[in-house]
Amino acid sequence: QVQLQQSGPGLVKPSQTLSLTCVISGDTVSNDRAAWNWVRKSPSRGLEWLGRTYSRSKWYNDYAVSVKSRIVINPDTSKNQFSLQLNSVTLEDAAVYFCARGDAYTWAFDSWGQGTLVTVSS
Amino acid sequence: QSALTQPASVSGSPGQSITISCTGGDNDVGRHDLVSWYQEDPGKAPRLIIYEVIKRPSGISNRFSGSKSGNTASLTISGLQPEDEAFYYCCSYAGGSTWVFGGGTKMTVL
Repeated sequence: QVQLQQSGPGLVKPSQTLSLTCVISGDTVSNDRAAWNWVRKSPSRGLEWLGRTYSRSKWYNDYAVSVKSRIVINPDTSKNQFSLQLNSVTLEDAAVYFCARGDAYTWAFDSWGQGTLVTVSS
Repeated sequence: QSALTQPASVSGSPGQSITISCTGGDNDVGRHDLVSWYQEDPGKAPRLIIYEVIKRPSGISNRFSGSKSGNTASLTISGLQPEDEAFYYCCSYAGGSTWVFGGGTKMTVL
């Protein structure tokens, strides 16, 4: 059973960088049948897919157009985890952030982290 | 990428059936049979209940079923039970290695 454990600050100042980490157990970040995603939830937008990282002989990233210029998702094979960096945050980036495992065959998100509430405030 | 459109709320009595619609466009729901549905209880992580439009993961009750017609996918919950009360979100592959979710539907058991 895959478990995802998120960590990171819940408060970020406007214009600064939001950073979250997701530790994987029960799977590996290098699994070529999986992709490792970040999704956020806000009252105004519901769930929003932000991006993913995955390994298929080499590492790849895909990002949502809405955040493409500000987002970086990186794997860390030594710690079996992956991270989210969202730069230049604004009030609109306040949300609950989830990490999620995507299955390469079902194209669905079958395991989720517990969620991190991120507030953007000075 | 525009979000998929779901009703804000639906409700039903125990034992009844309800259907939640999820409307997208030609490039997401209409083009790909890669619609999934998630159940979310407040304060908990979403749980996958339907994938590839109609398939159920192991352990998910057969009271949950999915379908699709054109640009609209649907989730039906039959034999409503109090524990089914939750938020439900649809999701579709949108091409170009991107995904799009719906705005979510609050399902209330009366």
